[in-house]
Amino acid sequence: RKEVEQDPGPFNVPEGATVAFNCTYSNSASQSFFWYRQDCRKEPKLLMSVYSSGNEDGRFTAQLNRASQYISLLIRDSKLSDSATYLCVVNEGNTGFQKLVFGTGTRLLVSP
Amino acid sequence: EAGVTQFPSHSVIEKGQTVTLRCDPISGHDNLYWYRRVMGKEIKFLLHFVKESKQDESGMPNNRFLAERTGGTYSTLKVQPAELEDSGVYFCASSQGSGLSSYEQYFGPGTRLTVT
Repeated sequence: RKEVEQDPGPFNVPEGATVAFNCTYSNSASQSFFWYRQDCRKEPKLLMSVYSSGNEDGRFTAQLNRASQYISLLIRDSKLSDSATYLCVVNEGNTGFQKLVFGTGTRLLVSP
Repeated sequence: EAGVTQFPSHSVIEKGQTVTLRCDPISGHDNLYWYRRVMGKEIKFLLHFVKESKQDESGMPNNRFLAERTGGTYSTLKVQPAELEDSGVYFCASSQGSGLSSYEQYFGPGTRLTVT
């Protein structure tokens, strides 16, 4: 079983749609969680950090369910520019030890 | 504020040769990390520096890989001798020294290494 699992997609949605991505992780001791966005042949860019039950930033909402070891990312009012791969990332390190574990990513395609 | 920079952006070498990758973290970031993505796989952790010290090198694949961070500023990752399976994109990331911000890692553009 992979440490971080995501549906690879692609998710094809029209502009303006709401789309949700799910992610599960295996290490119950993990303390911090992230969503990164990666465009084709570019570096991952930090989109959101999740330390407690959730986080919201504009059109983006992340939810964390520690009991189920599940993280989600909701994108409202999708824009063409949201087309990218969304990486679910878990920090498996303890204090002083920071080790990010990545999912394989979920690809999103937003069409006109 | 300048982001994480990496050099070179691309490198093509023959099997058995040596390659050295360089990473300059965001100014003031004590934490520096190396990651690697091989074709078709997820990004994998290689190692973590705190200033000039190796905090965790559990992800280094074997002793052909040597990472250094002299003076706690930039870092180099040397592969000697390179093998075909070393091909991939090598990312460097950095984060601040303490607090919740230390968990947020910012990535450089990567070095695409091709071993032929």
